Amino acid sequence: GESVGLHLPTLSVQEGDNSIINCAYSNSASDYFIWYKQESGKGPQFIIDIRSNMDKRQGQRVTVLLNKTVKHLSLQIAATQPGDSAVYFCAETVNTGNQFYFGTGTSLTVIP
Amino acid sequence: GAVVSQHPSRVICKSGTSVKIECRSLDFQATTMFWYRQFPKQSLMLMATSNEGSKATYEQGVEKDKFLINHASLTLSTLTVTSAHPEDSSFYICSAWGLAGSETQYFGPGTRLLVL
Repeated sequence: GESVGLHLPTLSVQEGDNSIINCAYSNSASDYFIWYKQESGKGPQFIIDIRSNMDKRQGQRVTVLLNKTVKHLSLQIAATQPGDSAVYFCAETVNTGNQFYFGTGTSLTVIP
Repeated sequence: GAVVSQHPSRVICKSGTSVKIECRSLDFQATTMFWYRQFPKQSLMLMATSNEGSKATYEQGVEKDKFLINHASLTLSTLTVTSAHPEDSSFYICSAWGLAGSETQYFGPGTRLLVL
């Protein structure tokens, strides 16, 4: 499989600052990507998605950037809040309806 | 958005027993569901793809005889961990593609399994 089971890298930011979380995906054929937020003991929660025909998509306080040339995704969170503290995963798939493979994940801690 | 539920939310069992975990799509039909396993401070690892009315497709290294998957209806998939051992203790999460408006993948809340 393409999932990676490594220990999570961490990112700490001050409340109110912007956060940038990066993800390198593995399959150049992947055409649909999702960022998920996971709080302790809970299932992943959808944040934002992007398809391969786009390089940027914005939501409420979040922006996803896709660079297919280097197989890189980033999630930008504006004005980070304590409630944003969680683990963030990117997930990739080839064609809608197929299985997703998850990246390593990043643990975000927001310092009040 | 689409909702996926799991039952039970947590279970503790003795080594050697079997445990069944249910995954339901509550407001949409799901011909395909997915089962993941997550160890502490690690990413989600895809175990298998559950197909309604047919056999599940397992990822490499996942024992199909140990992790039995049944997808008997368009809203229910079950994962049975047979003869569970302490190393099977993990967080098991299911997901499904939803067709409620925007087609994307929705996750259940997870099931915490502890095998003593």
